[in-house]
Amino acid sequence: ETGVTQTPRHLVMGMTNKKSLKCEQHLGHNAMYWYKQSAKKPLELMFVYNFKEQTENNSVPSRFSPECPNSSHLFLHLHTLQPEDSALYLCASSQNGRGPDEKLFFGSGTQLSVL
Amino acid sequence: DQQVKQNSPSLSVQEGRISILNCDYTNSMFDYFLWYKKYPAEGPTFLISISSIKDKNEDGRFTVFLNKSAKHLSLHIVPSQPGDSAVYFCAASAGAGGGSQGNLIFGKGTKLSVKP
Repeated sequence: ETGVTQTPRHLVMGMTNKKSLKCEQHLGHNAMYWYKQSAKKPLELMFVYNFKEQTENNSVPSRFSPECPNSSHLFLHLHTLQPEDSALYLCASSQNGRGPDEKLFFGSGTQLSVL
Repeated sequence: DQQVKQNSPSLSVQEGRISILNCDYTNSMFDYFLWYKKYPAEGPTFLISISSIKDKNEDGRFTVFLNKSAKHLSLHIVPSQPGDSAVYFCAASAGAGGGSQGNLIFGKGTKLSVKP
């Protein structure tokens, strides 16, 4: 148990669907992140939230829409995705989102397939 | 262009021997380096880190070496165990100035297989 829970574990959706990924952390952290891992590519940062405020948007297309209602929950709303968006989406949290030695705690990820 | 490179996608080692995983970086502003380990169907977990003011950090069977002049770091696992079989990600940060963890840059990972 990593303390960061992601649901669903797997998701298959069509290009016209709307779906949401959910992340919850039980670690009392104040920073939460969405990462994307495509096949044969490094982990790519998508969004960062510190104390519920979005502090980074790494040039992510608007078809991905994050929501952070509180420091424990993070959502990624998906709509009109493309097949190339198929990837593993990882949520992470850290204590305060500051400092080089702050460790990230990852969830198990949602494996997304867009048909 | 990739700032953090792990040029070996895979590595196979016999149990009990040393595993050496390599990582190169291009950004001279990086001053903190981390290794994460990932098992299938799980998220990455933090393994070990090193600040640029050091050239070695050891934690049990795991040692990370940093060669700043070569912009190279390596993770040594000795002795290797079958349970070490996983994907290992190198990550770097230019965070000593108090920057956000959002500046963490990952490599593509190296899949380590430790054979009994």
